Amino acid sequence: DAGVTQSPTHLIKTRGQQVTLRCSPKSGHDTVSWYQQALGQGPQFIFQYYEEEERQRGNFPDRFSGHQFPNYSSELNVNALLLGDSALYLCASSLGPSETQYFGPGTRLLVL
Amino acid sequence: GDSVTQMEGPVTLSEEAFLTINCTYTATGYPSLFWYVQYPGEGLQLLLKATKADDKGSNKGFEATYRKETTSFHLEKGSVQVSDSAVYFCALSDSSGNTPLVFGKGTRLSVIA
Repeated sequence: DAGVTQSPTHLIKTRGQQVTLRCSPKSGHDTVSWYQQALGQGPQFIFQYYEEEERQRGNFPDRFSGHQFPNYSSELNVNALLLGDSALYLCASSLGPSETQYFGPGTRLLVL
Repeated sequence: GDSVTQMEGPVTLSEEAFLTINCTYTATGYPSLFWYVQYPGEGLQLLLKATKADDKGSNKGFEATYRKETTSFHLEKGSVQVSDSAVYFCALSDSSGNTPLVFGKGTRLSVIA
């Protein structure tokens, strides 16, 4: 049984560019949450998708957007990248919005 | 709002030493509590969880007890190994599912042989 997978593993972008990160949930999981983990910090919640809709959102600007597909996979898009967007982006999936979350290995984004 | 406070690291222990990482929380209602572990260069792995007061979560020799009276969920292990070296995160979520996971800042553990 495959766990949560994310792609790409690493990414380098320059300021002002746009980036798309992808996540495939564990088999049977229908809910995907995204977190940003800055160096030396705990993960911070960005948003959660369930039934192809954004269900909750953390304190992140509109430059951060997402999508969930009918197969429950998800994308995180970040526009107009800033240096401060450099972080590890973690995807977590769960059997429902209030169930235990299981994390993927993350995508490490570096903005130059 | 909800928050989690962990003891600051880094924590350095010799192999076979006893480990305690303190975690306290602030939350309305009765949250579920979690410990996640992050090995170098990897994502987070769920280590253990507890969903109600006095529950004890345990896994791989680690354990933590949900103490409502002291709003704590301290992580313990009787005998650490070098392979336990990682960053440990305490986290909570509203049991109703209306809030996302809220994490502490993490505690880095280094175990030396």
